[in-house]
Amino acid sequence: QLQLQESGPGLVKPSETLSLTCTVSGGSISSSSYYWGWIRQPPGKGLEWIGSIYYSGSTYYNPSLKSRVTISVDTSKNQFSLKLSSVTAADTAVYYCARRAKGTRSSWLDYWGQGTLVTVSS
Amino acid sequence: SSELTQDPAVSVALGQTVRITCQGDSLRSYYASWYQQKPGQAPVLVIYGKNNRPSGIPDRFSGSSSGNTASLTITGAQAEDEADYYCNSRDSSGNLVFGGGTKLTVL
Repeated sequence: QLQLQESGPGLVKPSETLSLTCTVSGGSISSSSYYWGWIRQPPGKGLEWIGSIYYSGSTYYNPSLKSRVTISVDTSKNQFSLKLSSVTAADTAVYYCARRAKGTRSSWLDYWGQGTLVTVSS
Repeated sequence: SSELTQDPAVSVALGQTVRITCQGDSLRSYYASWYQQKPGQAPVLVIYGKNNRPSGIPDRFSGSSSGNTASLTITGAQAEDEADYYCNSRDSSGNLVFGGGTKLTVL
């Protein structure tokens, strides 16, 4: 059974960089069939897609966050990571990692991590 | 960027049928996927592609699409179906977008 687990600091100071890692177990991140992505959810609000990465390093980013986001992959560790720079209180959210699958005229997120709350505060 | 619009809240009587809709231009070209989220939990995929259910999702959940609107139908809603539901789709650039979510109340 595929499992994803987010890890990283739960508290980040304003203007600093948020860094999270997602460790994938029970399957290979190097599978050609999938992308790997990050999604966030501010407290009491809806889901927001941050971006996705392929094992080769090819990325897609949410245009509204693109200037501050970097997603990278480490196939040797079966991990992928998120960096979000210049954070403000508006970046406080539960951050999820997930596997992105694709089919004919469709794309979906079939496995999710449990999520990790990151609070931006001094 | 693409946007997906959902009704903020919908209610259904126990055992009745409810349809949750999602509207957006990207849905004219791409299918929506649907996620169920209960308080304090990660979202769970319930429908993907034209109308596919992951293993373990009850067959009372189904999906459909027409024009710029995708729908999630729950036939015979149960108390455990009370949750937030989100639609999601890709756009022509390969980016993903979520709808704002619909809070389903089972009466």
